[in-house]
Amino acid sequence: AAGVIQSPRHLIKEKRETATLKCYPIPRHDTVYWYQQGPGQDPQFLISFYEKMQSDKGSIPDRFSAQQFSDYHSELNMSSLELGDSALYFCASSLNYEQYFGPGTRLTVT
Amino acid sequence: AQSVTQPDIHITVSEGASLELRCNYSYGATPYLFWYVQSPGQGLQLLLKYFSGDTLVQGIKGFEAEFKRSQSSFNLRKPSVHWSDAAEYFCAVVPLRGFSGGYNKLIFGAGTRLAVHP
Repeated sequence: AAGVIQSPRHLIKEKRETATLKCYPIPRHDTVYWYQQGPGQDPQFLISFYEKMQSDKGSIPDRFSAQQFSDYHSELNMSSLELGDSALYFCASSLNYEQYFGPGTRLTVT
Repeated sequence: AQSVTQPDIHITVSEGASLELRCNYSYGATPYLFWYVQSPGQGLQLLLKYFSGDTLVQGIKGFEAEFKRSQSSFNLRKPSVHWSDAAEYFCAVVPLRGFSGGYNKLIFGAGTRLAVHP
């Protein structure tokens, strides 16, 4: 069965640089969620999209933005990166209340 | 305050032994309940879920969980643990029942790291 695809899987950036993370949801899933998981932490909700419209927002810094495109893939854009942004970033897609997670993008900011 | 609590940060069991991981939630209404498993550096895999109905739910990999409304708990169990079960286990809730349209964000507990001795 098709799963959620995230790219890239690993990303190394320097402070103050920008990063773009991509998420391709499971076909026919209408909702995408983004989560951030710091080292040794539980995942924290960042933002969600339903039918290409932003629906809910969590603890997402103003330096981050996201959107969902016509083909339902989503991108998380992160600017002015800080050391504290180093984390695993997960995308999850959903058709109902079950969320299916991608493998994540590990972002390292040096 | 609304929260999901996993009281055990680390648990070590012997292979073949039974397992119970605890999860308590604090919400005004019963949320939707989930258990996820995460291997090191990997994504989260859904083990099982509870929305309503039978309070004992079966999941993948031989796991089950029991919802107890009186205790606000949703504990995960497995009768015989395998070495491959070593991982981090997260209890999670969707607090808003009945909503759709991207409002079903997951709230996670802090996780329980399971180690399995041969």
